[in-house]
Amino acid sequence: SQTIHQWPATLVQPVGSPLSLECTVEGTSNPNLYWYRQAAGRGLQLLFYSVGIGQISSEVPQNLSASRPQDRQFILSSKKLLLSDSGFYLCAWSVKDRLAGGQGEQFFGPGTRLTVL
Amino acid sequence: AQSVTQLGSHVSVSEGALVLLRCNYSSSVPPYLFWYVQYPNQGLQLLLKYTSAATLVKGINGFEAEFKKSETSFHLTKPSAHMSDAAEYFCAVSENFGNEKLTFGTGTRLTIIP
Repeated sequence: SQTIHQWPATLVQPVGSPLSLECTVEGTSNPNLYWYRQAAGRGLQLLFYSVGIGQISSEVPQNLSASRPQDRQFILSSKKLLLSDSGFYLCAWSVKDRLAGGQGEQFFGPGTRLTVL
Repeated sequence: AQSVTQLGSHVSVSEGALVLLRCNYSSSVPPYLFWYVQYPNQGLQLLLKYTSAATLVKGINGFEAEFKKSETSFHLTKPSAHMSDAAEYFCAVSENFGNEKLTFGTGTRLTIIP
């Protein structure tokens, strides 16, 4: 079966510090990968998605970047955190190929709670 | 472009009462539709999905949803609410022709009154 991991689970960082959040997927290959953010009391905002190694699409201009160095690894980074980067960060994956049975649903990791002070 | 509207950001029901969470969608092609549940400080869990088969879809935890094309709706129901149903619920839509992104609604927080 497939599993998705995120770490760390919680993180408190000062303004201006760097950030690295990691997401890994097990039990599948060549997935689509996604990073979302939930600000307090807000819905889900898609930040980045990736259809393959080194292929990153950014949904919104911001202080963050993403990388996919390996097939099942997705990293969210920042060089200098802002207060507005605080939130709950969720990684998700989906089956790429509809012909292989993918029906568009995404499977989410447990999330990382980031507080920028 | 696809979109999702969830009517009611907060819904309260008594334990044992009917749960009804509303979702309306807009899509230029036949959609795939999903309901997710999120418990505090956790990721989203798939409750159920509609992928153009049966219009009445049954999911986990006793929830079900009915796809109504004429009303562009996909409302989530449960006959009898349980305290453990308290959570946030998200409706999402995907266009079923290669678009791998989901468009989420803004969510509905369900509170269960003892």
